[in-house]
Amino acid sequence: GESVGLHLPTLSVQEGDNSIINCAYSNSASDYFIWYKQESGKGPQFIIDIRSNMDKRQGQRVTVLLNKTVKHLSLQIAATQPGDSAVYFCAEKGAAGNKLTFGGGTRVLVKP
Amino acid sequence: GAVVSQHPSWVICKSGTSVKIECRSLDFQATTMFWYRQFPKQSLMLMATSNEGSKATYEQGVEKDKFLINHASLTLSTLTVTSAHPEDSSFYICSASGGFRTGGVGNQPQHFGDGTRLSIL
Repeated sequence: GESVGLHLPTLSVQEGDNSIINCAYSNSASDYFIWYKQESGKGPQFIIDIRSNMDKRQGQRVTVLLNKTVKHLSLQIAATQPGDSAVYFCAEKGAAGNKLTFGGGTRVLVKP
Repeated sequence: GAVVSQHPSWVICKSGTSVKIECRSLDFQATTMFWYRQFPKQSLMLMATSNEGSKATYEQGVEKDKFLINHASLTLSTLTVTSAHPEDSSFYICSASGGFRTGGVGNQPQHFGDGTRLSIL
């Protein structure tokens, strides 16, 4: 079946540096992608999303890039802060319905 | 806005007990609610999708009689784990769809609750 996966399970980043989290997806029919942040013991928190007709979208300190050719999604966090330490998940939605398929997650550890 | 509340946040009970978890959308009407299960250091796995007033749609491998879902109103869905056993111990998370946007570009973003940690002894 379709799957969404991540390359790096853990990313250690120096405070102030930029972080890049990558995600590969396999369903070429997916039309909507979301990045979520999950802190320990909590539910996922929406960060940013992007539609399949876009290749880049920027938010506050975050940028999502979508490369449909190679089915790759990335999240860039600028000037990473200690509060950014969490597990980050990408999720995709197929063209039909509203179900999300989550990737495996990447833990980001921000070093002071 | 778009607040989803789950209750309880944490429950410990004996094997064989049935446990009910509530998911409420506090400031919007949720046409669809989703139930996920998450094991430690793993991703979220969708268990079922429920639409208000209709039967839930379960994902492959999820037992309908084991995980009873009721979505009786536009603001409340419940998940009941029947005759729970230690292997049912997990983090259960609900999400609700149908509210207003969170600044994104999706039509119906999913808003997540803070989960319920279930421990079966």
